Amino acid sequence: DTAVSQTPKYLVTQMGNDKSIKCEQNLGHDTMYWYKQDSKKFLKIMFSYNNKELIINETVPNRFSPKSPDKAHLNLHINSLELGDSAVYFCASSRMGTGELFFGEGSRLTVL
Amino acid sequence: GENVEQHPSTLSVQEGDSAVIKCTYSDSASNYFPWYKQELGKGPQLIIDIRSNVGEKKDQRIAVTLNKTAKHFSLHITETQPEDSAVYFCAASRGGGSNYKLTFGKGTLLTVNP
Repeated sequence: DTAVSQTPKYLVTQMGNDKSIKCEQNLGHDTMYWYKQDSKKFLKIMFSYNNKELIINETVPNRFSPKSPDKAHLNLHINSLELGDSAVYFCASSRMGTGELFFGEGSRLTVL
Repeated sequence: GENVEQHPSTLSVQEGDSAVIKCTYSDSASNYFPWYKQELGKGPQLIIDIRSNVGEKKDQRIAVTLNKTAKHFSLHITETQPEDSAVYFCAASRGGGSNYKLTFGKGTLLTVNP
């Protein structure tokens, strides 16, 4: 069984469109994250949620809106997509009190 | 905020040799230092971590050392194998409770030649 699953794995879309990425974890963790990995492989945190509450909100354009309907799910909605949004977006989860992140396999977003 | 520098950006070794990757961090309050391995097309996976109350930790062929005074930590892989080829990331965090905000280094592409 997949521990952290993201859908879709690939998105190709035009500038100006809106897209969503979904993430689910079945590890029973209470903290979930979104990370962005750019073309140079640099990994940067975007958001984290603990039990549906926003904990970390890095300097991310407000076109990016995370939503956590329950502690097993964290979705990412992106409005008005720009070329610079092209990247691989990773969802991750962790158990409270530990630092180990369990990453999904990533969602590669390409904005044309 | 925290800043993590990682060197080298690429490393090529012969199978059986050792590989060393080094990182420095800026925030003296950071207390948690994990290393992640990312294979092509996959998400990063934790391979070893160390906390600031420990100077060294070993797990089979992998070891991590931490020098808090100098604010640097290193990953050592001995007897490298082709399957060790991947991108390796160091990270640092203050850590605690639900607030582990990892700052990653820029990664090292390790290639192990058979």
